[in-house]
Amino acid sequence: GENVGLHLPTLSVQEGDNSIINCAYSNSASDYFIWYKQESGKGPQFIIDIRSNMDKRQGQRVTVLLNKTVKHLSLQIAATQPGDSAVYFCAERGYSTLTFGKGTMLLVSP
Amino acid sequence: DADVTQTPRNRITKTGKRIMLECSQTKGHDRMYWYRQDPGLGLRLIYYSFDVKDINKGEISDGYSVSRQAQAKFSLSLESAIPNQTALYFCATSDAWTDSNQPQHFGDGTRLSIL
Repeated sequence: GENVGLHLPTLSVQEGDNSIINCAYSNSASDYFIWYKQESGKGPQFIIDIRSNMDKRQGQRVTVLLNKTVKHLSLQIAATQPGDSAVYFCAERGYSTLTFGKGTMLLVSP
Repeated sequence: DADVTQTPRNRITKTGKRIMLECSQTKGHDRMYWYRQDPGLGLRLIYYSFDVKDINKGEISDGYSVSRQAQAKFSLSLESAIPNQTALYFCATSDAWTDSNQPQHFGDGTRLSIL
């Protein structure tokens, strides 16, 4: 929704740059992590996921890196495009449900 | 995600009214969830259901109730709405956790305003 981005950390990049969005997670027992993209007026959309037995996973223009030592997750977007402008959330699976981060707003300038 | 449909998309109502938000899915998933989203707070879990006979409270269930009418339908009710329940509400579905990755899939939300 249009108010989702209020008070969120914001990353501003130029079109064509690479973007890195970071997320700190809380539960060292979490075994599965997901990145979501949320555009204005839409629900969160799945981008990429990774299990805790992996350090890196690549998709189309996106890469997720997992550092379990410091409980840190990052999303790298290559050659960022204006259509990538959105709020990005990480989520971790602990026991039976997902816990979501507060999100980062990505703004891409032409 | 058109496979997860929420109705209504927008609703404005008054304090004290009873409200029902509905969610239906065509993905064939067993698990369904209701979340609330407030600016700057991310998504918070209200209730979830792992099958038709299973209902569980989430992080912020007070003031809400749910009904799982069928595998494909999960409704959220506000028995007596109050202004601080003004928010975006999302329904999500997922397959059961197995060794495979099972992300949740979201509807496009209901914007609820309580005056």
